Amino acid sequence: DGGITQSPKYLFRKEGQNVTLSCEQNLNHDAMYWYRQDPGQGLRLIYYSQIVNDFQKGDIAEGYSVSREKKESFPLTVTSAQKNPTAFYLCASSIGQLSGNTIYFGEGSWLTVV
Amino acid sequence: AQSVTQLGSHVSVSEGALVLLRCNYSSSVPPYLFWYVQYPNQGLQLLLKYTTGATLVKGINGFEAEFKKSETSFHLTKPSAHMSDAAEYFCAVSDYTGGFKTIFGAGTRLFVKA
Repeated sequence: DGGITQSPKYLFRKEGQNVTLSCEQNLNHDAMYWYRQDPGQGLRLIYYSQIVNDFQKGDIAEGYSVSREKKESFPLTVTSAQKNPTAFYLCASSIGQLSGNTIYFGEGSWLTVV
Repeated sequence: AQSVTQLGSHVSVSEGALVLLRCNYSSSVPPYLFWYVQYPNQGLQLLLKYTTGATLVKGINGFEAEFKKSETSFHLTKPSAHMSDAAEYFCAVSDYTGGFKTIFGAGTRLFVKA
């Protein structure tokens, strides 16, 4: 079945560690996104990519990094510079970054700082 | 600039009662409007969307929404709530002036009482 796969579902990070969240899609979508979700705050855009080897910062990019070496893959690294990383992270994709295009979401990954 | 306001962070209804979740948007040009649903620990999935044409949009699971330009609203309704409707609901807007970004509301959690 076509869809978006995020892994791991649960991840624990120690202080000072970088961690990487995986996101793979087999929908043949050009655009991919990373959102952060905190209780009561909705979704905030971290990074997005419209095409391979190109990506742009969203509203809360500080402390995060991404790469887009393949169309189907868009991993997110949470660096030690991100001071409050505990949250639910959602990867998403769409056919293109055009108004009216439906965004499809993965199942999400929980990141907790220990 | 685009924005979305969902009125009420929590809504509680009895099983079989009308569901009404409110959403108001701000957009300087004709918007594209979406409702997504999120079940616990999962990603978001599309309920329905308005692009152009008929202002009453029907979605999955018996939900529908009406685009009212004069009121800048896109409220979500369902005639009879079911226990399985308990979830968080997000309204979203996009248009070309926002760089094709989709802006999400803060979400409304729906509780259904037996």
